[in-house]
Amino acid sequence: GNSVTQMEGPVTLSEEAFLTINCTYTATGYPSLFWYVQYPGEGLQLLLKATKADDKGSNKGFEATYRKETTSFHLEKGSVQVSDSAVYFCALTKGGSRGGADGLTFGKGTHLIIQP
Amino acid sequence: EPEVTQTPSHQVTQMGQEVILRCVPISNHLYFYWYRQILGQKVEFLVSFYNNEISEKSEIFDDQFSVERPDGSNFTLKIRSTKLEDSAMYFCASSGPLSPGELFFGEGSRLTVL
Repeated sequence: GNSVTQMEGPVTLSEEAFLTINCTYTATGYPSLFWYVQYPGEGLQLLLKATKADDKGSNKGFEATYRKETTSFHLEKGSVQVSDSAVYFCALTKGGSRGGADGLTFGKGTHLIIQP
Repeated sequence: EPEVTQTPSHQVTQMGQEVILRCVPISNHLYFYWYRQILGQKVEFLVSFYNNEISEKSEIFDDQFSVERPDGSNFTLKIRSTKLEDSAMYFCASSGPLSPGELFFGEGSRLTVL
């Protein structure tokens, strides 16, 4: 079945540091890949997505590239801020023609702490 | 901005009791979901719902669970006879027809089974 593996946290960085959160996946077919973020006390929010190989998703300074050859979708940001402190979830869905019917498969989440 | 709302935010119940968690999805969305997150563990898919029927469900979603869209706006998750291991944060989500995987989540309902 499908699975997502992401680096364990917490990850603690200083403000303006470079961020990488690793995510690898196992899936059949051609999944779509996502990063969701959960700020303290809030629900999960879509951060970015990529639907096919070599696509780059980007939002709020975060980027991730769909690498089919390495089955990876690592999240990066060049200069993090204290407000980026949150839990980040990598996820995939089967993609294809089923529209929204497929559930997302999530990784365990990575808690990111940015210190001023 | 439209949002998914969930009630209650926290419910404490005795083992064996029935629990209903309620969700109001975004009004023009067509797909509805329930996920759960046991403390310290990953977010797990429970069920998806479309066109008034279950589209997909996971192994977790056994006969103790049911979902319903009783009135065209609410989307409920019922657990008939709660067990200790049902203690978790339950998230409702919805999505539109053209963006698979772009789910909008509620803030969650924390269920504690004693």
